[in-house]
Formats: sequence, structure tokens, C-alpha cells
Amino acid sequence: QVQLVQSGAEMKKPGASVKVSCKASGFTFIYSAIHWVRQAPGQRLEWMGWINAGNGNTKYSQKFQGRLTITRDTSATTAYMELSSLRSEDTAVYYCAREIPKSFDSWGQGTLVTVSS
Amino acid sequence: QSALTQPASVSGSPGQSITISCTGTSSDVGGYDYVSWYQQHPGKAPKLMIYDVTKRPSGVSNRFSGSKSANTASLTISGLQAEDEADYYCCSYTDSSARVFGGGTKLTVL
Repeated sequence: QVQLVQSGAEMKKPGASVKVSCKASGFTFIYSAIHWVRQAPGQRLEWMGWINAGNGNTKYSQKFQGRLTITRDTSATTAYMELSSLRSEDTAVYYCAREIPKSFDSWGQGTLVTVSS
Repeated sequence: QSALTQPASVSGSPGQSITISCTGTSSDVGGYDYVSWYQQHPGKAPKLMIYDVTKRPSGVSNRFSGSKSANTASLTISGLQAEDEADYYCCSYTDSSARVFGGGTKLTVL
């Protein structure tokens, strides 16, 4: 079955970077698109960006341009989300999700990233 | 890209029907038939309930249905059940090939 398994919770200081992984299984990774969505405590879902796992092309929300990097390792069937220059407002649960055209049919379990001095 | 507009909360009694609206612009909801809806229970990952405005994934109850008129999409839940109590989010494809979510709606089953 389709599964996305994310790396564990992270605690970071302001100004640092965080890299979250998303291990895919149960489908052909290189034919997929993986999106990243975050949710601050008590807040709405917020779309961050996505990667075409086949050719590595990416698209980022304007809000995160310059701070967000999404990559993938096809041999490991894993996508990565790296967010830099962290601030307290980046404290959130970060999700990866598989796209079926234009919607998200499978989600990772979420990774809590806490930014605090 | 501003968030799509959803009511903050809706409520209904078991057996009743409720509708949640999701309003965007001609650059997102109104421009494409790519609106999806997600159910999220506390502490859990979102679950796809409706995609491409009206389609239901396998395994999702036919009590859930979607529609769209101009720049507003809607999710209707009929025959409300206690387990439907959750947060619901709409999401749309946009003309910049991005995605945008709604602000979320908390559904309370009375």
C-alpha cells in the first residue's frame, strides 16, 4: 500500500536550518509528485511547494522563496524539505503528501518542528 | 496567494445535512475544476474526501459530495454522524501552478 514515512521531531534555534525526510513506498516514486504542507499550532494547512520526483523540478510558494529547498533521492525513494533561517513562526507540523493530479491522496504522519531559543 | 475563504465553524445534528463553502477567485477555484476537500481529526494527518470538485476516492462514504459554482466550491455532508466531527479544508490549484488551502472549518455534530 502507499506509504509516506517522515523523520522524527526536531528542535531548532532561531536562524538554524531543518531538513525533514519523507520515505515513499508502495508506488513508483519517479512517476510521482511530492508536496510539502505545514500546519502551525491551531492554524490552517499551508501549502509550501512540490517536487517532480522524476526530473527534480520544483515549485515553491512565494512566501518561502529563498528559504525553502525541496530535493529527492530516487535511489532511496525519499523526498526532503529543508527550511533555513528559522524563526519562531516556523514552529509547525510539516507534512509530505503524494499528488494524484491536482490533489493529495496520501500523507505522511507529520513532523513537528519546534523553533525556540 | 491569499487563503481561500471558509466559514470558521458549522454545526448540525445527527442525520442532518450541512454544507461548507469555499470561496476563491477566478485565478484558483473559479478557473479550474481542481478543488479538493480534506477531513482532519485532531492530531491526525488530513484525509482526502473529494477531488476534482465532485469525485470521491474509493472508500469515502457517498454521504460526502462536492460542487462548484463560479468562484465558490461547496462540500455537503448528508446524514451527519458523530465521526464526521472534524476540521475540513478546501484546496485549489492556482494559475501559477501552486496550491492554496482554505482557512478551515470546524464541524461540530450536536
